[in-house]
Amino acid sequence: AQSVTQPDIHITVSEGASLELRCNYSYGATPYLFWYVQSPGQGLQLLLKYFSGDTLVQGIKGFEAEFKRSQSSFNLRKPSVHWSDAAEYFCAVGTGGGNKLTFGTGTQLKVEL
Amino acid sequence: NAGVTQTPKFQVLKTGQSMTLQCAQDMNHEYMSWYRQDPGMGLRLIHYSVGAGITDQGEVPNGYNVSRSTTEDFPLRLLSAAPSQTSVYFCASSRGTSGDQPQHFGDGTRLSIL
Repeated sequence: AQSVTQPDIHITVSEGASLELRCNYSYGATPYLFWYVQSPGQGLQLLLKYFSGDTLVQGIKGFEAEFKRSQSSFNLRKPSVHWSDAAEYFCAVGTGGGNKLTFGTGTQLKVEL
Repeated sequence: NAGVTQTPKFQVLKTGQSMTLQCAQDMNHEYMSWYRQDPGMGLRLIHYSVGAGITDQGEVPNGYNVSRSTTEDFPLRLLSAAPSQTSVYFCASSRGTSGDQPQHFGDGTRLSIL
């Protein structure tokens, strides 16, 4: 069965600093991979996705992620964090044609001003 | 476009009561699904539907029923609520059943079972 691991439960960074959120997945075939962001009291918003092609994918709000098959990883990065990026971030793998999502447990990002 | 609309936003139930969480989308999406979100566990798939009249179970289906009589609506029913069903419930939809179609999430229903 597929699984997603987000090893960092909480991360705190200073505004303007770079950010990397880790995600490791377990899935037998080529995965559909996603990063979602959830602001307090809100639903999930798609940041970016990967399913084929270039392993470095660009998303919204200045985020990017790199798919590394050899490491089964799909880490999310941002060069310079803004205070408004404080939220919870979820990595997910899509199976069953890609729509059945298995989520990681999330990483709560705090941004210090 | 309203996107994915979930009602109610908040609900408190007593153990043993039944209720239906509503989900509607106005994007003519084929695929709809329900997730529950619990602290420290991320989101887990309850049920999903690949089109009107077709539903299937996800990872945690016990205690929940669904039906899909129209493309727009995908209600989730709790037949006899239990405290373990206290959670935040999210409905999602996407245009197709392939993984390259992004899923759109509603704002959630926060459900407490006493």
